Amino acid sequence: SYELTQPPSVSVSPGQTASITCSGDKLGDKYTCWYQQKPGQSPVVVIYQDRKRPSGIPERFSGSNSGNTATLTISGTQAMDEADYYCQAWDSSSVVFGGGTKLTVL
Amino acid sequence: QVQLVQSGAEVKKPGASVKISCKASGYTFTSHYMHWVRQAPGQGLEWMGVINPTDGSTSYAQKLQGRVTMTRDTSTSTVYMELSSLRSEDTAVYYCAGGGYSGNSYLDFWGQGTLVTVSS
Repeated sequence: SYELTQPPSVSVSPGQTASITCSGDKLGDKYTCWYQQKPGQSPVVVIYQDRKRPSGIPERFSGSNSGNTATLTISGTQAMDEADYYCQAWDSSSVVFGGGTKLTVL
Repeated sequence: QVQLVQSGAEVKKPGASVKISCKASGYTFTSHYMHWVRQAPGQGLEWMGVINPTDGSTSYAQKLQGRVTMTRDTSTSTVYMELSSLRSEDTAVYYCAGGGYSGNSYLDFWGQGTLVTVSS
């Protein structure tokens, strides 16, 4: 089965840039999206189709996808961005999630 | 506004079944597929499957084949997810989420989640 691999944790200082990676075989040939989940809340999509932002998502969130790696980048990270982030792709008509990355802003 | 409202928390014994509902409002019920995703305590997201509200067709995660059933009632804009032969590992928050069913789609809006606890 297809697997997506994320680092368990990433730390960033306020105002700096955070990058969260998601790796999978030939992931660049698929579309990737990213979800943000804060404690006790349902996930929210922050990036879809590799680099598109839904309405209401701040411009500091951006995405890219090439080769075997997709990347979620948060520029000028704020304390409110502290959350778990999950990448997601499709494989054989099934949804696949990465294991999730806990972003700590300190 | 688009809203998915799920049924309340459940406590079940091992071997039992659970059926969770997800009532949609604020959009055309048949315009979005409905996915089910679960999250065990402290763990990541796991996709369970999807139902097409238009015709009721389904696709389930291979891991859950034979134990999961998704249905819908178009008269009430509600989808249901039933999981049978429950075991402790099924303890999780279960989410319904509306979205597409193609390689360029994503899960656009989510329910509030339903906690299912499996314990003897």
